[in-house]
Amino acid sequence: KNEVEQSPQNLTAQEGEFITINCSYSVGISALHWLQQHPGGGIVSLFMLSSGKKKHGRLIATINIQEKHSSLHITASHPRDSAVYICAAHSNTGNQFYFGTGTSLTVIP
Amino acid sequence: NAGVMQNPRHLVRRRGQEARLRCSPMKGHSHVYWYRQLPEEGLKFMVYLQKENIIDESGMPKERFSAEFPKEGPSILRIQQVVRGDSAAYFCASSPYINEKLFFGSGTQLSVL
Repeated sequence: KNEVEQSPQNLTAQEGEFITINCSYSVGISALHWLQQHPGGGIVSLFMLSSGKKKHGRLIATINIQEKHSSLHITASHPRDSAVYICAAHSNTGNQFYFGTGTSLTVIP
Repeated sequence: NAGVMQNPRHLVRRRGQEARLRCSPMKGHSHVYWYRQLPEEGLKFMVYLQKENIIDESGMPKERFSAEFPKEGPSILRIQQVVRGDSAAYFCASSPYINEKLFFGSGTQLSVL
């Protein structure tokens, strides 16, 4: 079983829809990261969370430490949001990062 | 302030050769992480370094792979005697402190013929 599980694996949405990507982890963490990887391969860090909720533009990330669960929400989705979204858990027993397999999002105009 | 710079962008090596991948972190960042992304697979942690020190190399294969982050100059990921299975995208990321947001380089795509 992977230390980090993401769902769904693939997601297709119409432009304007509200999107949720889920991440569950089984390790103790010092922080949870949400990353965005575009088709060209470049990776951008969207959020780093250790508790609560963060918002940046149309993106919102939440984390529930007790339930070991995090969600990434995209409001008013746009075709330029099409990318792979990756959840990464930074272990609190060392410096390992554990990555989810990613959610491939396609937003259709 | 330039971002994280990785070079080369693409590297082609024949089996048995050495591959050297470079990563210059953002200015002021002393924490560097290396990750590998195999074809059709997710990212995997390899090694975490601070200036002149390897802090955690638990994700690195025991043989042929080494990493360094000298006092001056970029971090280097070195792969000796490359094999086809080493073909992957290698990303580095830097941060100013531990448990800070990561800034990623564009990656080096290594192809072993």
